[in-house]
Amino acid sequence: NAGVTQTPKFQVLKTGQSMTLQCAQDMNHEYMSWYRQDPGMGLRLIHYSVGAGITDQGEVPNGYNVSRSTTEDFPLRLLSAAPSQTSVYFCASSFDGCSYNEQFFGPGTRLTVL
Amino acid sequence: EDQVTQSPEALRLQEGESSSLNCSYTVSGLRGLFWYRQDPGKGPEFLFTLYSAGEEKEKERLKATLTKKESFLHITAPKPEDSATYLCAGMNRDDKIIFGKGTRLHILP
Repeated sequence: NAGVTQTPKFQVLKTGQSMTLQCAQDMNHEYMSWYRQDPGMGLRLIHYSVGAGITDQGEVPNGYNVSRSTTEDFPLRLLSAAPSQTSVYFCASSFDGCSYNEQFFGPGTRLTVL
Repeated sequence: EDQVTQSPEALRLQEGESSSLNCSYTVSGLRGLFWYRQDPGKGPEFLFTLYSAGEEKEKERLKATLTKKESFLHITAPKPEDSATYLCAGMNRDDKIIFGKGTRLHILP
């Protein structure tokens, strides 16, 4: 199993550009989520999904869109990048949303918006 | 508002010097309290889930405990390889997971 994979590892954007961060898992997990991690702020939940076709907003959803058309993939779209979106982005998955299931995290995407 | 607060922000210990990390939480309908370890440049790695007050779990030199308001991560006789950031998180009744800001632990040889 590859686990949770994220692409790209690094990305530089200009203000106003759009892009999609990719996340995939091969563990047949139902629950997937996106976080951003900023210095001094910890991990903050952006969006999450409890299964294909179902998504919901987390703590900081503004400026981001998600969709979940398959169990395996959960892409995160930046509609119009802003410098405030400079961060490290982590995707995570677990078997389901129940509390006893550990989340597996991807290696992260480091995004810089100029 | 759901909140998870970790203390201290940073902790330096000598090898073999035991200590505890604190996680205070106010999470609506807590469904689980998680501990993760994160090494620089990597994603968090799962350590424990605790469900109810009084529960304890152990893994090597780490032991996690839970009360109705706090969780503690006890580190016994730590080694330099235990150096990392330790993250605490709570899952609320709506399946949302709220993370604390972490404690950076540095074990000196």
